Amino acid sequence: TQLLEQSPQFLSIQEGENLTVYCNSSSVFSSLQWYRQEPGEGPVLLVTVVTGGEVKKLKRLTFQFGDARKDSSLHITAAQPGDTGLYLCAGASGGFKTIFGAGTRLFVKA
Amino acid sequence: GAVVSQHPSRVICKSGTSVKIECRSLDFQATTMFWYRQFPKQSLMLMATSNEGSKATYEQGVEKDKFLINHASLTLSTLTVTSAHPEDSSFYICSAGKTGRSEAFFGQGTRLTVV
Repeated sequence: TQLLEQSPQFLSIQEGENLTVYCNSSSVFSSLQWYRQEPGEGPVLLVTVVTGGEVKKLKRLTFQFGDARKDSSLHITAAQPGDTGLYLCAGASGGFKTIFGAGTRLFVKA
Repeated sequence: GAVVSQHPSRVICKSGTSVKIECRSLDFQATTMFWYRQFPKQSLMLMATSNEGSKATYEQGVEKDKFLINHASLTLSTLTVTSAHPEDSSFYICSAGKTGRSEAFFGQGTRLTVV
């Protein structure tokens, strides 16, 4: 059974601080996604990484895929209150079957 | 684009009744769709893989007779929660994969409340 361990599960920080969320597994994934989910809505895709060692940037968000394609990180620079939400990492091992990490609930205080 | 739509977005039903949730890929065909369940403050848990024209594949611990899945066409999968009970109240989300893309696309979810 594939598992994705995501940490931390809850993070409360001040506006302007930096943070990193980690997603780790003992399994290799063909691709890994990061989603953001608002209450009562489906997850919205932020990024997909497919190549080991790949780094992608989306404004203040930096995503990295581990060399072995077993882990990933999401780094947010200068967090803003608008970044508050649930962040989910998810991995696909072939086809579109996707498993999710436990999620990180981020709260950014103004 | 790749749009996946779920209907209804919210449903309230009485205990013992059945509820059908639809998942449609609006602008692409999907031979495989997936159904997830999400309890409050928790992540998405995969329930089953819906295969067009064949039986669904259920994850361990998911009752196939309670959660009936039908994938009769390349753009529609349905999840029927049979004899619903309050503990089935949850947020149900579907996803579908589009050929040529690495990731699946998710519907907006269905909030089921069983009273």
